[in-house]
Amino acid sequence: QLQLQESGPGLVKPSETLSLTCTVSGGSISSSSYYWGWIRQPPGKGLEWIGSIYYSGSTYYNPSLKSRVTISVDTSKNQFSLKLSSVTAADTAVYYCARVEAVAGPIDYWGQGTLVTVSS
Amino acid sequence: DIQMTQSPSTLSASVGDRVTITCRASQSISSWLAWYQQKPGKAPKLLIYKASSLESGVPSRFSGSGSGTEFTLTISSLQPDDFATYYCQQYNSYPETFGQGTKVEIK
Repeated sequence: QLQLQESGPGLVKPSETLSLTCTVSGGSISSSSYYWGWIRQPPGKGLEWIGSIYYSGSTYYNPSLKSRVTISVDTSKNQFSLKLSSVTAADTAVYYCARVEAVAGPIDYWGQGTLVTVSS
Repeated sequence: DIQMTQSPSTLSASVGDRVTITCRASQSISSWLAWYQQKPGKAPKLLIYKASSLESGVPSRFSGSGSGTEFTLTISSLQPDDFATYYCQQYNSYPETFGQGTKVEIK
């Protein structure tokens, strides 16, 4: 059974960089046809797509965040990571990592999510 | 970006009721639509993909229909486990976008 687990600091200061890692177990991140993505959800609000990456390193980012987002992959560790720079309070959210069926597709596996709060 | 609009935002229903949620896209997305169920403190769960295909393991009381710009999620007989928030998502074009959610509450 595929499992995804987010890890990283739960508190980030304004203007700093948010960094999260997603560890994939029970399957290979190098599986063809799947992309690996990040989605976030501010407290009490809806879902926002951040971006996704293929095991080869090809990335797609939401244009609204593109200038601040970097997603990378480490196939040797079966992990992929998110960096979001210059954070503000508006970036406070639960961040989910997920498996996406193709470059744009439904999300069939999700991590449990991790709350990241931006505050001084 | 393609805008996804769900209605209603909140729905009050009783166990056994037939429930329908609507999702409208700001432009045609063919059948590239998914539905998710989310319970408090949990990640969303995929219910329906490609507008009407039931994800493996999802009860058959859930069904989806539509194409183009208008879609529906139907729960044929609401069960206690179904009280949750439901989201639609288009994946016709990047960035993938979600509806604002429909909360199904106990009447």
